[in-house]
Amino acid sequence: NFMLTQPHSVSESPGKTVTISCTRSSGSIVSNYVQWYQQRPGSAPTIVIYEDSQRPSGVPDRFSGSIDSSSNSASLTISGLRTEDEADYHCQSYDSSYHWVFGGGTKLTVL
Amino acid sequence: QLQESGPGLVKPSETLSLICNVSGVSITNTFYHWGWIRQPPGKGLEWIGTIFYSGTTSYNPSLKSRVNISIDGSKNHFSLSQTSATASDTAVYYCARRIIEGGPPPSDAFDIWGQGTTVSVSS
Repeated sequence: NFMLTQPHSVSESPGKTVTISCTRSSGSIVSNYVQWYQQRPGSAPTIVIYEDSQRPSGVPDRFSGSIDSSSNSASLTISGLRTEDEADYHCQSYDSSYHWVFGGGTKLTVL
Repeated sequence: QLQESGPGLVKPSETLSLICNVSGVSITNTFYHWGWIRQPPGKGLEWIGTIFYSGTTSYNPSLKSRVNISIDGSKNHFSLSQTSATASDTAVYYCARRIIEGGPPPSDAFDIWGQGTTVSVSS
């Protein structure tokens, strides 16, 4: 089975842009879609990016996702940071045997 | 909507059993799969297993020997049974709906989650 590695934490100021990475340990990042979830304290996760780069309805266009095959990683970028974006962000993918994997989560602090 | 239910306290070596009640959609709808995910205190999310609308299951290899997920179409709910509980099974347990690849957006994602239920394993 593979792992998804995320930075433990990132911080940035309001109005700035932050990027969170998610690196796949084995197998190609392009083999299966990557999803991103936002989780505020005490709440269940909610989807913010699906199929690598698609935004569900209701998610602001400040949120974007991308894939980089050269580094075998996915990225979540949040522009125009707001204090309400402060949360944990989890990437997720799966393998050909339909085993789902979550990254360890990244705590975003908006200073 | 999804709602987890079950004991909040389980003794070591006993079986942890949870039910996820599904409302607003048929659990046999072919667009959806149904999953269990847990989150130990202060840690990240861990996928436990998924049951497909056909009844086929897929489990986390690290938990496979102890886990069983089943579906009850008549009650519109699905269940988790996890044997031989230890303190490391202490976590918030979530049930979630996954939309199949190529399904309606947000396809391929766990789009709806229950609120989560806290399970502690302790004597």
